[in-house]
Amino acid sequence: DVKVTQSSRYLVKRTGEKVFLECVQDMDHENMFWYRQDPGLGLRLIYFSYDVKMKEKGDIPEGYSVSREKKERFSLILESASTNQTSMYLCASSFNTGTGGYEQYFGPGTRLTVT
Amino acid sequence: SQQGEEDPQALSIQEGENATMNCSYKTSINNLQWYRQNSGRGLVHLILIRSNEREKHSGRLRVTLDTSKKSSSLLITASRAADTASYFCATVSWQAGANNLFFGTGTRLTVIP
Repeated sequence: DVKVTQSSRYLVKRTGEKVFLECVQDMDHENMFWYRQDPGLGLRLIYFSYDVKMKEKGDIPEGYSVSREKKERFSLILESASTNQTSMYLCASSFNTGTGGYEQYFGPGTRLTVT
Repeated sequence: SQQGEEDPQALSIQEGENATMNCSYKTSINNLQWYRQNSGRGLVHLILIRSNEREKHSGRLRVTLDTSKKSSSLLITASRAADTASYFCATVSWQAGANNLFFGTGTRLTVIP
């Protein structure tokens, strides 16, 4: 079974704190993704990575950075958390077929509250 | 935006009835996928239909794709209370990064026992 795990289900942080969200997958997938999900806005892509040490900006990268030092691990970093980053964060992974479009496998999500 | 758009936003039916959800999108696609999300949890992949396919079945799920109308529908037959969840369509487009999914805002399905 494919497994994508995220370090925390619930997280409460204060404004200005540096926040690390960790994601690990065990399927040897090349691609990894970070989304945030907000009511009425659906899922929005923050950053993605197609290979180790590779990262690309998604639709809403501002205020975030990522790190991919190992193939199985993709970290999302909030450099200085703000209240508008309160959200559900979802990590996903997939194979890289070269021609695109394999299904993504999602982790359970981290609900982050910034006070 | 390439984001898909689901219709209706919310749907409430009795157990045993069929549920139909629709998705429209804007650009040419490689494939379209449907996902389910139970409340407060991650997404689960349901089915993938490629741009050269018109219909696909998986258990009680039936997906159709009309690339001329840029639309897809998801039919859940003989619904059960456990089908209560949000359903999202997601597209993969040739124009964008070929491994990236673009999600709609979802249809919230409630199945009443």
